[in-house]
Amino acid sequence: GAVVSQHPSWVICKSGTSVKIECRSLDFQATTMFWYRQFPKQSLMLMATSNEGSKATYEQGVEKDKFLINHASLTLSTLTVTSAHPEDSSFYICSARDPLTGENQPQHFGDGTRLSIL
Amino acid sequence: GQNIDQPTEMTATEGAIVQINCTYQTSGFNGLFWYQQHAGEAPTFLSYNVLDGLEEKGRFSSFLSRSKGYSYLLLKELQMKDSASYLCAVLDSNYQLIWGAGTKLIIKP
Repeated sequence: GAVVSQHPSWVICKSGTSVKIECRSLDFQATTMFWYRQFPKQSLMLMATSNEGSKATYEQGVEKDKFLINHASLTLSTLTVTSAHPEDSSFYICSARDPLTGENQPQHFGDGTRLSIL
Repeated sequence: GQNIDQPTEMTATEGAIVQINCTYQTSGFNGLFWYQQHAGEAPTFLSYNVLDGLEEKGRFSSFLSRSKGYSYLLLKELQMKDSASYLCAVLDSNYQLIWGAGTKLIIKP
């Protein structure tokens, strides 16, 4: 079964709305989670690394005030897209790796959230 | 800079064999992953190579040559459900995943 759960799977909302996406690790405690964005026909782009109990690490070009990340527990990280606009429409995917299995183990992905801003 | 190259698109026939290549230039190397991603879905793990050679897993095999910065994913007995994008990703010296752009594989009857 799925080891990482992501919710919601689909969001359609008006421009200016803030949208929160949740990512939960179901079978393990994830001290680190990763947030990706994927535009149509393009590869995964890492947006930020979410660290439990501390600030997220954002990739170059990603606005931290626009994409708020909270990792308040060992099983939950949230990404909030604040004041979303049509250009933020994309497929957002979270992933996590079980820290007990080593850093060279594959990441487990959530099912993704398709965000459409009208 | 870090770079991963793989073909954008490939076409193959049902029942045939296809090889998807991946070349990489990264700062350090702690292994290479292959993922399968169907349209509109999240990637699913296929294979991991950290040592040179061929790893076989059913219809799918993955090969690595660290000296050449090269890997390939070999898919045998192709089925229509194998139509998907195949992503190559390298774990660099900081254990950060560097992703290729993906290869869209189209299977024709």
